[in-house]
Amino acid sequence: DTAVSQTPKYLVTQMGNDKSIKCEQNLGHDTMYWYKQDSKKFLKIMFSYNNKELIINETVPNRFSPKSPDKAHLNLHINSLELGDSAVYFCASSQARGTAQHFGDGTRLSIL
Amino acid sequence: GENVEQHPSTLSVQEGDSAVIKCTYSDSASNYFPWYKQELGKRPQLIIDIRSNVGEKKDQRIAVTLNKTAKHFSLHITETQPEDSAVYFCAVPTDRDDKIIFGKGTRLHILP
Repeated sequence: DTAVSQTPKYLVTQMGNDKSIKCEQNLGHDTMYWYKQDSKKFLKIMFSYNNKELIINETVPNRFSPKSPDKAHLNLHINSLELGDSAVYFCASSQARGTAQHFGDGTRLSIL
Repeated sequence: GENVEQHPSTLSVQEGDSAVIKCTYSDSASNYFPWYKQELGKRPQLIIDIRSNVGEKKDQRIAVTLNKTAKHFSLHITETQPEDSAVYFCAVPTDRDDKIIFGKGTRLHILP
């Protein structure tokens, strides 16, 4: 069974569109994260949710909004997509602060 | 805020030789130090981690050493094999705000 699953795996869309990426974890973890990995492979944290509360919010544009319907899900909604949003987005979860993170397989977002 | 420096950015090692990757951090309150391996097109996966109450941890061919005084920790891979070729990331969770800072990654090439 996949521990952290995110969909879709690939997302190709036009500039200006709105899109969502879904993430679910079945590990019973308390904290979920979204990361952006750019073409240089740098991993940068975007958001973190703990028990449905946003606990950190990096300096990402407000076009990005995380939505957590429950502890096991953290979705990422992106408005008005721009060329610079092209990247691989990873969802992850961890039991608590300062513990191992489990990553999903990533969503490769390409903006045309 | 926390600053994480990872070196080298690229490392080529003859198969069978050892590889060492080093990370330095700035927040002396940090107490958990993981290493992640990311193979091409795949997700980052935890390979080893260490907490601040120990100086070294080993798991078969992989080891991590921690020097809290100097604020650096290193990944050691011995008897390298072709499947060790990947990008390796260190990460440092900050104690204050659950922010996790990843190093910029080291691309390890194992030469035949």
